[in-house]
Amino acid sequence: QKEVEQDPGPLSVPEGAIVSLNCTYSNSAFQYFMWYRQYSRKGPELLMYTYSSGNKEDGRFTAQVDKSSKYISLFIRDSQPSDSATYLCAGMDSSYKLIFGSGTRLLVRP
Amino acid sequence: GAVVSQHPSRVICKSGTSVKIECRSLDFQATTMFWYRQFPKQSLMLMATSNEGSKATYEQGVEKDKFLINHASLTLSTLTVTSAHPEDSSFYICSARDHLGGPLNEQFFGPGTRLTVL
Repeated sequence: QKEVEQDPGPLSVPEGAIVSLNCTYSNSAFQYFMWYRQYSRKGPELLMYTYSSGNKEDGRFTAQVDKSSKYISLFIRDSQPSDSATYLCAGMDSSYKLIFGSGTRLLVRP
Repeated sequence: GAVVSQHPSRVICKSGTSVKIECRSLDFQATTMFWYRQFPKQSLMLMATSNEGSKATYEQGVEKDKFLINHASLTLSTLTVTSAHPEDSSFYICSARDHLGGPLNEQFFGPGTRLTVL
């Protein structure tokens, strides 16, 4: 079993839709949970991170972690074509090692 | 700030040759750099962690004699793929961690290097 599981998609939505991206994880040692955005042929960039369980909001983005069910979510409100990218979730353990999901490809249609 | 560059961005080589990829932190000092490999539609897989001035730590299953890592300064790490074969074709991404750290010890990623071995 992979430590971080993520549906690869692709996920296609119309502009303005609310997008829900999800991951599950198995490693109880994860302390931080991250969401990265990766454009084609580019390196990932950190979008948001949360520590332990709870919600965190930043503009149109909300990250959510439920440690009891080992579930990580990213919500994007009022999605824009410029949000089209691959979104990677990751867990970080106590040694600051990142374990990535396989990424979900998102396409926001104008 | 926190910019990481990689060179080259793309390289095509013949089977059996060696390829060197450079990773530089442009505006900060990085005591630790990481090398990842990403196959199409798969996640980034950590290959090794390199600390400035010391030997790299390789993940299980990664051949240290094939993937040579040198972290000679606080702003430069190199990955050399020796005797490359077609199965080494992949997207290689480095990341660097600012020596000042912070609670997250955030890694800043380079743009990646696409290696194609013919």
